[in-house]
Amino acid sequence: GNSVTQMEGPVTLSEEAFLTINCTYTATGYPSLFWYVQYPGEGLQLLLKATKADDKGSNKGFEATYRKETTSFHLEKGSVQVSDSAVYFCALANTGFQKLVFGTGTRLLVSP
Amino acid sequence: DVKVTQSSRYLVKRTGEKVFLECVQDMDHENMFWYRQDPGLGLRLIYFSYDVKMKEKGDIPEGYSVSREKKERFSLILESASTNQTSMYLCASSFDGASLDEQFFGPGTRLTVL
Repeated sequence: GNSVTQMEGPVTLSEEAFLTINCTYTATGYPSLFWYVQYPGEGLQLLLKATKADDKGSNKGFEATYRKETTSFHLEKGSVQVSDSAVYFCALANTGFQKLVFGTGTRLLVSP
Repeated sequence: DVKVTQSSRYLVKRTGEKVFLECVQDMDHENMFWYRQDPGLGLRLIYFSYDVKMKEKGDIPEGYSVSREKKERFSLILESASTNQTSMYLCASSFDGASLDEQFFGPGTRLTVL
């Protein structure tokens, strides 16, 4: 079946530090991959996505590259801000379906 | 902007009560979803709907039912609430079942069953 594995948090960083949140997946076929972010007290919102191997999704300084050979979609940001503190979810969806499979989420805490 | 609204942010109910969680979206989306979010488990799909009056079970449908009488509204029903249904419930919608469009989420309803 399909599944997503994320690194456990919380990840605690100082402002301007480099961020990596690891995500690996197991899926049949050729899934699309997503990162969603949940700010405190809010619902999830799409951060970035990639629909095929070697695609790079990017938004708000965050990037993730779809690596089929390592079945990974790691989230990176060169310089985090306090406002990036949130819970980040990696997710996949298989072609032709709208159902998302989520990882367990990784909480990021950024201190000034 | 797409808006997905949920009827309550916080809800407290007693064991055995019938509970209705309402979700409304204002962008004419075909697809609507109900998830529950629990610490360490992420989001799990309860039910989804591709069209009015259509519903399909997700990964954890036991103890829940849904209703979609109008395109913009998707209701989650707990027929007889139990303490293990204490959770955060998130509703989402998306535009087209044939493509992998972004899902838009509501702010969530935190349900406590005593």
